[in-house]
Formats: sequence, structure tokens, C-alpha cells
Amino acid sequence: QEKVQQSPESLIVPEGAMSSLNCTFSNSASQSIWWYQQHPGKGPEALISIFSNGNKKEGRLTVYLNRASLHVSLHIRDSQPSDSAVYLCAVGNMGYKLTFGTGTSLLVDP
Amino acid sequence: AQTIHQWPVAEIKAVGSPLSLGCTIKGKSSPNLYWYWQATGGTLQQLFYSITVGQVESVVQLNLSASRPKDDQFILSTEKLLLSHSGFYLCAWSLGLGGSSAETLYFGSGTRLTVL
Repeated sequence: QEKVQQSPESLIVPEGAMSSLNCTFSNSASQSIWWYQQHPGKGPEALISIFSNGNKKEGRLTVYLNRASLHVSLHIRDSQPSDSAVYLCAVGNMGYKLTFGTGTSLLVDP
Repeated sequence: AQTIHQWPVAEIKAVGSPLSLGCTIKGKSSPNLYWYWQATGGTLQQLFYSITVGQVESVVQLNLSASRPKDDQFILSTEKLLLSHSGFYLCAWSLGLGGSSAETLYFGSGTRLTVL
């Protein structure tokens, strides 16, 4: 069974700083890695996904995947107060199963 | 544009009572549908998925059942609630071109269930 661990549990950064979130998973053959953002009392929203080793950039978001070390990171450049939310890492395997991590709570201090 | 509607928004129920939660997806035919559950402070867990009407697969056993009576409707139910069923229930859909691991999941606003 896939295991997904996220760190840190919580993170406080000043407005304009870089936010860096980490995720480790247990299966190097996992098909895809997703990052979702969840605000209190709401459903998660997909931010970015990556399927192969390397990095992917979309706007202020950059994700790095290293399958050999079973590690993926999300970096948010120029963090804004509106970025304050819980960030969920999700790992997909073949088929219809997506396993979520425990989340990182990000607070951007204005 | 596609929309997903979950009902009810919140429920307070007694242990041992029945439960029925639902979601409807409009604007997309033959989506894949999913039920997720999140205990307070806990991890989002996938409960069920469905790729076609009348067909539902269970991912974890929590004394819950799910049905897909129509292409655009997904129902989660149980005849007897347990205290451990409390939490946040989320319905989601994806395009249905492949498995959930390869497609964006679009979540509803959720149902907050409190079992007393």
C-alpha cells in the first residue's frame, strides 16, 4: 500500500518569500504525483502534476520529482497571503487509486 | 462548464441511524466518480470509485456503501452509523479518459457529518 508523508506539518513564511514543501512516497513505480490546495471547509483543488523525473514550472509554482529518492517538492515563488492553505501531495498508481498525504499547512504572513 | 453539487452541506446524526449523502455532476457525460473521506485532522482517504453507471468499486472498508444510479449521480450510504463515521465527505469527478492517477480530480464542497 502506497505511503505518502509530507513535511513540514506547518510552515510560516513572510509575504514575498519562497515556500518549499516536501513529500516522500513509497513506490518508485508510482504513475503520477499531484499537488492539491485545500482551504478550510472546502474541497481540494488541483494545482500541478508531474509524471516523469525532473522539474515542471507553472507560473509561481515549481515541482521537482526524484523517483530514485522517492521525493517530490513544491516551491511557491513570491508567496502571497492568498496562498495560505493546506497543501496536499497525492500519489497515483495504475488505475483509479490516488493516495493523499497528511498535508502541510502554509501561512503567509503579510 | 461542469458543476458538482453535494448534498447536504452538513448533517448531525445519531449512532445507529441511517445515512444518505449525494452528489450530482452536470455538464460532463460519463465522468469517473469518487467518494473521499477526511476525519477531522486526518488524511483524505479514497472510499469508492465508479467508472460507469451501476458499477462501483470499494477501496477501503468502513461499513459504508455507494451506488451510481444515474450517469451524473453518486450516492454514499449506510444503514447504521458509527461514531467513527464522523468527518468530511467529498465527492469528486474526473474526465473519464483514464484512471484517477492520470487525471485531475474536481472536488465538491463536501458534507460535514457529525455522529453523536
